[in-house]
Amino acid sequence: GESVGLHLPTLSVQEGDNSIINCAYSNSASDYFIWYKQESGKGPQFIIDIRSNMDKRQGQRVTVLLNKTVKHLSLQIAATQPGDSAVYFCAEFEGGANSKLTFGKGITLSVRP
Amino acid sequence: DTGVSQNPRHKITKRGQNVTFRCDPISEHNRLYWYRQTLGQGPEFLTYFQNEAQLEKSRLLSDRFSAERPKGSFSTLEIQRTEQGDSAMYLCASSTVNYGYTFGSGTRLTVV
Repeated sequence: GESVGLHLPTLSVQEGDNSIINCAYSNSASDYFIWYKQESGKGPQFIIDIRSNMDKRQGQRVTVLLNKTVKHLSLQIAATQPGDSAVYFCAEFEGGANSKLTFGKGITLSVRP
Repeated sequence: DTGVSQNPRHKITKRGQNVTFRCDPISEHNRLYWYRQTLGQGPEFLTYFQNEAQLEKSRLLSDRFSAERPKGSFSTLEIQRTEQGDSAMYLCASSTVNYGYTFGSGTRLTVV
């Protein structure tokens, strides 16, 4: 999902359902990707990461999928809970001398009780 | 150590005034980053330190912005002659290697 201006795209899911958040990244040289969760008034919080030599990585209730062919990243959250409501960002990292993370524009996840 | 600490949490200033923010990274982290985040956007890279050396600066960091990390521990970000367009959340992060950033909760700047 991409956003324009001040309005982030929103994904609304029912509590207990699975959520899938998608991200298109831009740099084919990126070798490391991270998903962050950001709650209101707080800094981004690390969720899960994946290196470019992998296509899937699982954590607790979360899975990240990487498709380098189409430069696409997704975050799957199983059994979504109200506490998962937040803004989610994907970030890419080129590594080497370029040591900064470049963030996507974010998607708001809203969990309906 | 409870993580990356940023002060103040909020700052309201009049246009034209100077402001300074402080970041205390996780103690064993030698890398420190500053990012800026405006409403509805992802964080944007400003600058990066490895120990006390400032290794990279974004073109977003105009001449009015300066960052220091004099002893390789805490860092300060100063904005001179603030403008309304400087209103944003200023985030600090630290890490030990290229990966594994930990972010602070940020300083929210409002320029009136």
